[in-house]
Amino acid sequence: DAGITQSPRHKVTETGTPVTLRCHQTENHRYMYWYRQDPGHGLRLIHYSYGVKDTDKGEVSDGYSVSRSKTEDFLLTLESATSSQTSVYFCAISESRDLSYEQYFGPGTRLTVT
Amino acid sequence: KQEVTQIPAALSVPEGENLVLNCSFTDSAIYNLQWFRQDPGKGLTSLLLIQSSQREQTSGRLNASLDKSSGRSTLYIAASQPGDSATYLCAVLNAGNNRKLIWGLGTSLAVNP
Repeated sequence: DAGITQSPRHKVTETGTPVTLRCHQTENHRYMYWYRQDPGHGLRLIHYSYGVKDTDKGEVSDGYSVSRSKTEDFLLTLESATSSQTSVYFCAISESRDLSYEQYFGPGTRLTVT
Repeated sequence: KQEVTQIPAALSVPEGENLVLNCSFTDSAIYNLQWFRQDPGKGLTSLLLIQSSQREQTSGRLNASLDKSSGRSTLYIAASQPGDSATYLCAVLNAGNNRKLIWGLGTSLAVNP
């Protein structure tokens, strides 16, 4: 299994509070991604990173920000959590050096906003 | 705009059957296609990746094929087992944009003993 961890694994928070989710990889992969997964919508890309300090928006980026100060860490921040952000959040990594761009996923974080 | 469709959305079969899961995509200019498995409450596990120049990939009882011209991929599972019960997702990486996968909604498979 790819060395990807996510923390916390579960979190309950109140509307309006800031929340930060962490993704940590030990594979030295260039690309990192944050997805959310909701019933009926499948996997939707929030933000991704193609290198340290290089990030770009995905299809559902409103209300989320990211940072990547080290190759191994990719942080997702909900500045002011809303109930619509209750979801399961997955981090993924991929690498371009082998030309495969195969994506590997972390175990997920279940976030509930009350 | 690339769209990925998986049919059927759900499938229930008796143990031992050979089965085929389908994935179709609208734009044939893809870089690769990836099949994943997701168990309930778990993350996604990469099963097979087919590059655009390849026609199929095999891993154990799994065989994935790719027909770019028709915009189709199939995942063949031989001699299905209850442990194969999971959701299977396919995703394509578009040529020229090798950073973001386009996802199908998945096929939920139940293999009954």
